[in-house]
Amino acid sequence: GAVVSQHPSWVICKSGTSVKIECRSLDFQATTMFWYRQFPKQSLMLMATSNEGSKATYEQGVEKDKFLINHASLTLSTLTVTSAHPEDSSFYICSARLLGTARETQYFGPGTRLLVL
Amino acid sequence: KNEVEQSPQNLTAQEGEFITINCSYSVGISALHWLQQHPGGGIVSLFMLSSGKKKHGRLIATINIQEKHSSLHITASHPRDSAVYICAVLIQGAQKLVFGQGTRLTINP
Repeated sequence: GAVVSQHPSWVICKSGTSVKIECRSLDFQATTMFWYRQFPKQSLMLMATSNEGSKATYEQGVEKDKFLINHASLTLSTLTVTSAHPEDSSFYICSARLLGTARETQYFGPGTRLLVL
Repeated sequence: KNEVEQSPQNLTAQEGEFITINCSYSVGISALHWLQQHPGGGIVSLFMLSSGKKKHGRLIATINIQEKHSSLHITASHPRDSAVYICAVLIQGAQKLVFGQGTRLTINP
């Protein structure tokens, strides 16, 4: 099946630094990529939807200046957590929708665990 | 009330048992996903359904569109099946998935 990768898988950083997470579709082109965060023992929460070449659409309550999303190509989207604070510590998951198929086809990355000290 | 409800929330069973996890939803959908999340966190897409039934190895997923209900079955369960199973639906006309709260499955040897 289609593969979505994320890098890094783990990141620990000091408060105030910025962290960039990459999401790549390895063997297909993605029309749309989604960014989720997940707190322990909770379900995924959609943060934003990004389409290649256009601005991301953020969900209510998600600060777009805090969580910068860039979708520069059909195979790469990045999420930058700016001036990270301990409350940003979470598990971040990206997902990609396969270009040229039904809208329902969506593949998930392995996730990135962020710990802000 | 959540648009997607899963039951049970937690399930513990012995190796070899037949497992059923249920998902009910209250909106019109164009597709339903069953996802598996292991303790390490990575999510694997098990099935995508819009009608009928799909089978992959020991896993079977069914959906009844009229009743707005889907089930995930695991036959001959094994400890490695221990994970959180998540039902997610793509609402008709929408672009984003709506997730159930997940079912935590533990299979004891």
